[in-house]
Amino acid sequence: SQQGEEDPQALSIQEGENATMNCSYKTSINNLQWYRQNSGRGLVHLILIRSNEREKHSGRLRVTLDTSKKSSSLLITASRAADTASYFCATDRAFGTGTKLQVIP
Amino acid sequence: SQTIHQWPATLVQPVGSPLSLECTVEGTSNPNLYWYRQAAGRGLQLLFYSVGIGQISSEVPQNLSASRPQDRQFILSSKKLLLSDSGFYLCAWTLGAVNTEAFFGQGTRLTVV
Repeated sequence: SQQGEEDPQALSIQEGENATMNCSYKTSINNLQWYRQNSGRGLVHLILIRSNEREKHSGRLRVTLDTSKKSSSLLITASRAADTASYFCATDRAFGTGTKLQVIP
Repeated sequence: SQTIHQWPATLVQPVGSPLSLECTVEGTSNPNLYWYRQAAGRGLQLLFYSVGIGQISSEVPQNLSASRPQDRQFILSSKKLLLSDSGFYLCAWTLGAVNTEAFFGQGTRLTVV
C-alpha cells in the first residue's frame, strides 16, 4: 500500500526559482528517501534521510524530516530546466504518488 | 559496478496472451528484488518482492505472478493478460534491509490491447 503522499501533485516554476515538494506518511519509519523519475524512465535515488536526522543537504537539494508530523520536504534551489521530472518520496518499500515538477526555461 | 537490466522496454500484447518480463542484476549478490507497477501519472504500486531464490512475497493479489529462479534474476509473469494489466512495470533491487537505497531498471511499458 502507498505510504507517502506528495504535495503538490504538480508544480510549475521558472528556471532559477526554488521548488519545494512535501511528503506525508502514515507509520513510523527508519528513514525516508526521495527519488526522481524522468518521463518514461526508471527512478533514480536522490537522497536518504534517517529518522534521527532533521535536515540533509546534497548539492542543490535540501531535505527536511519532521517525525512528529510524519512529513518531509524536498527543496531544489536555483532550479534548472533539467530538473523537470517527477519526484517521489519513499519509506520502506512504499512510494508516494509523486510531484510532477516542470521548470520553464 | 552494479547494474540492473530490464527488458523489453515496450510491449504490446493482446488480451488473454501470456506475459514474461525479465529483470537481471549484475555486480552484486543476494539482492532484494522488487516488481512495481506504475499507472499513468500515478505512484508506484509494489507487486512482488523477493529476499532470496524461490522466496516471493505478493503485496497485491492479481493476475500476475513472480519467480526468482536464480539469485540475480526476477521474472514477472501472467498466464492470461487483462486490459487492466496495462502499465509501466519497474524492477528494482536493494541490498540488506528494505529501507535502503533502491536501484531501478528502466522499466517496461506494457499495453494490453
